[in-house]
Amino acid sequence: DTGVSQDPRHKITKRGQNVTFRCDPISEHNRLYWYRQTLGQGPEFLTYFQNEAQLEKSRLLSDRFSAERPKGSFSTLEIQRTEQGDSAMYLCASSPTHGTSLYEQYFGPGTRLTVT
Amino acid sequence: GQQLNQSPQSMFIQEGEDVSMNCTSSSIFNTWLWYKQDPGEGPVLLIALYKAGELTSNGRLTAQFGITRKDSFLNISASIPSDVGIYFCAVIGDTGTASKLTFGTGTRLQVTL
Repeated sequence: DTGVSQDPRHKITKRGQNVTFRCDPISEHNRLYWYRQTLGQGPEFLTYFQNEAQLEKSRLLSDRFSAERPKGSFSTLEIQRTEQGDSAMYLCASSPTHGTSLYEQYFGPGTRLTVT
Repeated sequence: GQQLNQSPQSMFIQEGEDVSMNCTSSSIFNTWLWYKQDPGEGPVLLIALYKAGELTSNGRLTAQFGITRKDSFLNISASIPSDVGIYFCAVIGDTGTASKLTFGTGTRLQVTL
């Protein structure tokens, strides 16, 4: 399967702990995106990378959140000092860089975070 | 900020019926996408629309990009139980950089036998 993969699928953590999620994009895609989705809402943009460069960050990405894509392949999203409000589904997506299909973002299965 | 309104919010239909849903915006967008999301999974891309007035099909799904570039419609013909899920429209916020997607409020579809 060459789709977007995310790990772990589920994470339960206590408030104040740090968590890290991983995303592996479709191999030929240079762009990688992170979104957050809360219950009953559509996904909301957090940040995106082109290769290893982080090109845009949303206001939703507080200073407790950090994302990296060190070698332009997989990406990690870390949340420090988690709060109950961080409970959500964290989605990763990827897209090509060129052509009309660069607008077409393909999503992974998501990581469901529950902060207790 | 940008807001996409989808209607209906939810719908119950019988298997075999045709379904129609729409998505509207107060702003013009040049790229519209439709996704389907099953519970506990990520959204799956169904159809992408790039030209105003464009009608595009994918199997039993047909989507249209409104001529005003402020709306889009999705139709599902002869619905089956696996069509159950939440359907989201999405637009590209900035076609210059083709970065973030902005999603609509979603239409929840339930199919009864």
